[in-house]
Amino acid sequence: DVKVTQSSRYLVKRTGEKVFLECVQDMDHENMFWYRQDPGLGLRLIYFSYDVKMKEKGDIPEGYSVSREKKERFSLILESASTNQTSMYLCGASGNTGELFFGEGSRLTVL
Amino acid sequence: DQQVKQNSPSLSVQEGRISILNCDYTNSMFDYFLWYKKYPAEGPTFLISISSIKDKNEDGRFTVFLNKSAKHLSLHIVPSQPGDSAVYFCAASAGGNTGKLIFGQGTTLQVKP
Repeated sequence: DVKVTQSSRYLVKRTGEKVFLECVQDMDHENMFWYRQDPGLGLRLIYFSYDVKMKEKGDIPEGYSVSREKKERFSLILESASTNQTSMYLCGASGNTGELFFGEGSRLTVL
Repeated sequence: DQQVKQNSPSLSVQEGRISILNCDYTNSMFDYFLWYKKYPAEGPTFLISISSIKDKNEDGRFTVFLNKSAKHLSLHIVPSQPGDSAVYFCAASAGGNTGKLIFGQGTTLQVKP
């Protein structure tokens, strides 16, 4: 199975801080994704990438940016964190089967 | 606009009985459907999937049914076990195996001993 590792399980940041969420996958998959999960809303796609240095906006990209300098690594950046970005962030990777493998999630609290 | 909907936020069943989780979708371009299971403080894990060319897929205790005319799919768990208690997400994708999924809101299943 694909292993997707998210660098931080729990983070607490202050409003206005810059936040980096790191994600690494070990199966050489082309596709990587960032979702956020909120109660009653399910998982919503923030950004995704089909190749190195390539990125596309998902359904809720506002307030976020991403970086994919290497195939195995996909970073989510909050340039200036706000309280409405308090959420569970989930990174995923997929190959050509269409199945998306997720990391364990990063719980971000913005005070 | 919610393209994938799970209208039941929660479901409670007795151990050994059948659990039926439902999902509706609006986009007729969806051609691949998946179910994920999520425990608290963990990432979602893949459970079972179905292509739009099929109407049923079975894997052990888990069966997914697809009704394309009704734009409806369901997940059956038989028999239900306490370890099945989790949040279940329905997901759909369009246009091939990209892994770009649209998720429903989730249904919390509680299986009582």
